[in-house]
Formats: sequence, C-alpha cells, structure tokens
Amino acid sequence: QKEVEQNSGPLSVPEGAIASLNCTYSDRGSQSFFWYRQYSGKSPELIMFIYSNGDKEDGRFTAQLNKASQYVSLLIRDSQPSDSATYLCAGDNFNKFYFGSGTKLNVKP
Amino acid sequence: DGGITQSPKYLFRKEGQNVTLSCEQNLNHDAMYWYRQDPGQGLRLIYYSQIVNDFQKGDIAEGYSVSREKKESFPLTVTSAQKNPTAFYLCASSIGPGYEQYFGPGTRLTVT
Repeated sequence: QKEVEQNSGPLSVPEGAIASLNCTYSDRGSQSFFWYRQYSGKSPELIMFIYSNGDKEDGRFTAQLNKASQYVSLLIRDSQPSDSATYLCAGDNFNKFYFGSGTKLNVKP
Repeated sequence: DGGITQSPKYLFRKEGQNVTLSCEQNLNHDAMYWYRQDPGQGLRLIYYSQIVNDFQKGDIAEGYSVSREKKESFPLTVTSAQKNPTAFYLCASSIGPGYEQYFGPGTRLTVT
C-alpha cells in the first residue's frame, strides 16, 4: 500500500468551475500535509500546507484535512487554464516526507 | 534573491561514467533532499540531510552517493552502479523535518 494515494486523472473541469483534488494517506502518525503544483517539465512549487483538521484558505485555494478519515483535499475556485498542471499531495511524519503520484488537472477554456 | 539552484539543467553521459549533480541553497535551511522523478511518476527520495556532515539514505539510495560538507551545498553523485540513471533529479530544502520543502529547477540526466 502506498503511503499517499491520488487518482492520476486527468480531471477535466471547465474554466470558472471548482476543481476538487483528493488524497488519502495511510500513516496515522503524519502531522503535516502539503500540496504542490507541477507544470510539465518543471519542478514542483508549493501551493499550500495544512497541519490542523479543518479548512485553510489562501486566495482561490482551499486545503482541507480530516485526520480521522486520513483524507486531504485541495479545492481550486474559479479554475483557470493556467491551473492546468499535475498536483502532488505530500505528507510528513517528521521522519519522512512522502509524495503521491499526482493528479493531472485540465482546465478547459 | 533567495532560492535553490541546480546545475546543469541538462546533462548527458555515457553509460559507465559517474556524474555529479550540483545543488546550492541560500535560504539558510538546515535540511536538504534529493529526489528522482521518472516520466508520469511521483517523487522518490534518494538521500536527505538534516544537518551538515550527516545524511541518511532514502528509499532508492543504491547507486547514488552524497556529501554535506557545507550547509549551502548537497551534491549528488550518480555512479555507474545505478542501473537506470536516466531521470529528472530534483533537489529540495526545508527549515527542518515537518516543514515545507522548496525545490530547485531540477537536472534532467540522460545516460546512453
């Protein structure tokens, strides 16, 4: 079982819609979670991190964490074609930082 | 202008040759990491270092070696023992364990 599971996609949404990206994790000792965006051929860039149960909002992005269900999600409001990329979910248990394989998002104009 | 630099951007080598990838950061971060990414795959941890003069193996350390003689620098050597070295190599740094990691631009290595 992988430590972080993501649906590889592609997830297609129309411009202006809400994109919902999901991630589940297996290690209950994980404390911190991170979302990265990776454009094709480029390195990952940090979008958000979340440590506590609940929601965390930053502009058009909202990260959600539910430790009881071992579930992390990223919502992108008012999706733009420039949001088309692969989104990587990552978790950390202070011993190891581990990544999911990523979900490819396509935002159609 | 703080950040992480990796050089070169593209690297071509013949099979059987060792090659060293550079990673430098001026963020004053204690921890540094090396990952490998294959097409359509996630990131796999090769080595990490939480402090100068100390480093730990990650999930796929075989065929790789590192050093951490300075806080700013964490070079990765891909040795001839690495069976499939062609990949995208990413260096990252963070304040420490549990904190967000920031990535350099990556080095794309091709071995023929």
